[in-house]
Amino acid sequence: GQQLNQSPQSMFIQEGEDVSMNCTSSSIFNTWLWYKQDPGEGPVLLIALYKAGELTSNGRLTAQFGITRKDSFLNISASIPSDVGIYFCAGRGSSNTGKLIFGQGTTLQVKP
Amino acid sequence: DSGVTQTPKHLITATGQRVTLRCSPRSGDLSVYWYQQSLDQGLQFLIQYYNGEERAKGNILERFSAQQFPDLHSELNLSSLELGDSALYFCASSKAADLYEQYFGPGTRLTVT
Repeated sequence: GQQLNQSPQSMFIQEGEDVSMNCTSSSIFNTWLWYKQDPGEGPVLLIALYKAGELTSNGRLTAQFGITRKDSFLNISASIPSDVGIYFCAGRGSSNTGKLIFGQGTTLQVKP
Repeated sequence: DSGVTQTPKHLITATGQRVTLRCSPRSGDLSVYWYQQSLDQGLQFLIQYYNGEERAKGNILERFSAQQFPDLHSELNLSSLELGDSALYFCASSKAADLYEQYFGPGTRLTVT
């Protein structure tokens, strides 16, 4: 079945640094979503991408839908302590359902 | 707060038992999704309902079933529970079956002992 590879698995950075993470797939996705999850809570939608090449921002977060449609990137600029959490990419393939495939997550820790 | 509610928040039960998890979608959302999150499998799609009808099925075990009621709330029934069913179960909702921005509830943590 479809799988997403998300990297890096974890990151430990200093407050103020920029962060990049990405997801790749062996098959084409038509939609990419990025979520953040805090411990014991549900994932929170950060950014949704619908077109190849699309670049979308949400505050200090910027995500891109790769032109091959097999990857997506999330950048966080000027990280702050509340950015700590697990970031997930999710992709939707060619079906007309809402079934999402999730990456394994990137755990971000920010040192004040 | 995503507007999706799930009850109960925690559930502890024994092997072989049956439980029901409940989800109310955001106001106006017609589609409901169920996901299972475990440490070794990550977030796995189980099933999607749209306006009362099953729309898509993922890796849902035969021991599990779900339904969406006329008021659009949904229930996930888990039976003959095994230790390996211990996980976080999330419900998500979206406005339409093909609108892919899904909003997640706070989850139900199921522990099978």
